[in-house]
Amino acid sequence: KAGVTQTPRYLIKTRGQQVTLSCSPISGHRSVSWYQQTPGQGLQFLFEYFSETQRNKGNFPGRFSGRQFSNSRSEMNVSTLELGDSALYLCASSLAPGSGSYEQYFGPGTRLTVT
Amino acid sequence: AQSVAQPEDQVNVAEGNPLTVKCTYSVSGNPYLFWYVQYPNRGLQFLLKYITGDNLVKGSYGFEAEFNKSQTSFHLKKPSALVSDSALYFCAVRDSDTGRRALTFGSGTRLQVQP
Repeated sequence: KAGVTQTPRYLIKTRGQQVTLSCSPISGHRSVSWYQQTPGQGLQFLFEYFSETQRNKGNFPGRFSGRQFSNSRSEMNVSTLELGDSALYLCASSLAPGSGSYEQYFGPGTRLTVT
Repeated sequence: AQSVAQPEDQVNVAEGNPLTVKCTYSVSGNPYLFWYVQYPNRGLQFLLKYITGDNLVKGSYGFEAEFNKSQTSFHLKKPSALVSDSALYFCAVRDSDTGRRALTFGSGTRLQVQP
């Protein structure tokens, strides 16, 4: 079974631009979560989507948004990029809530560099 | 609020010796606990989890972890370390409430296994 795929793997953007990252979960997984990883702040939860609805949101500004499609694929968008948004963005997929499976499986991440 | 502490930034161990990577947690309800490993330029790889039941859980690649409720700890262990175990290890916790599935991660512990 294929793992979580994220595209693109690397991205360089300029301050003020916006960016969209994509995530395809493991087949059969319907929940997608996003995390930001930086050297200073570590791994931080951004948001979780299930059934095309945002279920949980972390402590990030409104410039960070996401969505989930009917095939469970997810995108996250960051508008008005700042230098501090440079990070590894990780997508994780899991089975539906209440399924009895609790672990999340992570993709390789998208490395975003803002200049 | 939930939190995870990994008190050691780095653990050094000789190949063939046992290893322990420490983790303590804080969560309001019953904890679901996880260990992940990250290799350079890769996403997080799931190692093992504690949900309920036996306090000693076994995972991938010979790793195991011991849940201690009174000490709120979930230390990762392996009887005999391999050079290939050298990587960054993250402990994570989430509340058992299915409505709150966001993982909170520790700051990570770099494991260095010397030949």
